[in-house]
Amino acid sequence: GENVEQHPSTLSVQEGDSAVIKCTYSDSASNYFPWYKQELGKGPQLIIDIRSNVGEKKDQRIAVTLNKTAKHFSLHITETQPEDSAVYFCAAPANTGNQFYFGTGTSLTVIP
Amino acid sequence: DAGITQSPRHKVTETGTPVTLRCHQTENHRYMYWYRQDPGHGLRLIHYSYGVKDTDKGEVSDGYSVSRSKTEDFLLTLESATSSQTSVYFCAISEFQGGVYGYTFGSGTRLTVV
Repeated sequence: GENVEQHPSTLSVQEGDSAVIKCTYSDSASNYFPWYKQELGKGPQLIIDIRSNVGEKKDQRIAVTLNKTAKHFSLHITETQPEDSAVYFCAAPANTGNQFYFGTGTSLTVIP
Repeated sequence: DAGITQSPRHKVTETGTPVTLRCHQTENHRYMYWYRQDPGHGLRLIHYSYGVKDTDKGEVSDGYSVSRSKTEDFLLTLESATSSQTSVYFCAISEFQGGVYGYTFGSGTRLTVV
């Protein structure tokens, strides 16, 4: 099955700086890569996703890039704010059951 | 909003007792999932369902069973709870949006086995 690795596990940045979280996947057939944000005490929520037919997607201060050749994708958050503090998960699809495999998560802390 | 409700939100139980967690959805989604979340492991799939009475195992299914007798309810049962099953459990549904299937998660159940 798919193997998703995520780095770093923790990340601290000053407010206003950028944050980058990276994930690698193993199945070259994977074609859709979502990112989830989990705030304390809540379930993960989809914040952005990318399909394999594009290399980059932006939504205001967040962006995701995909390198299919290297089989890695990254989440970029610019002009970070304290409310960006959360755990972020990347995911890649499994072959069956509309399932996803998740990375181990990155705990992002934005220091005011 | 996919209308996913998990119950209970918190539970403390003793080792060896059976425990059932409930996931309820209001929008007739076919696929439902149970994940557990543990530090250092992220989210791992326990079981999933692709229809009434149709279920399959995930990567960490040992010690768990599931049932889906109605479209809207997906139950996760720990037959005899162990301390290693202390975790946060999330239910999810799969929705077709924008040409792809994506997850919507419930708010989670924090289970402590003492």
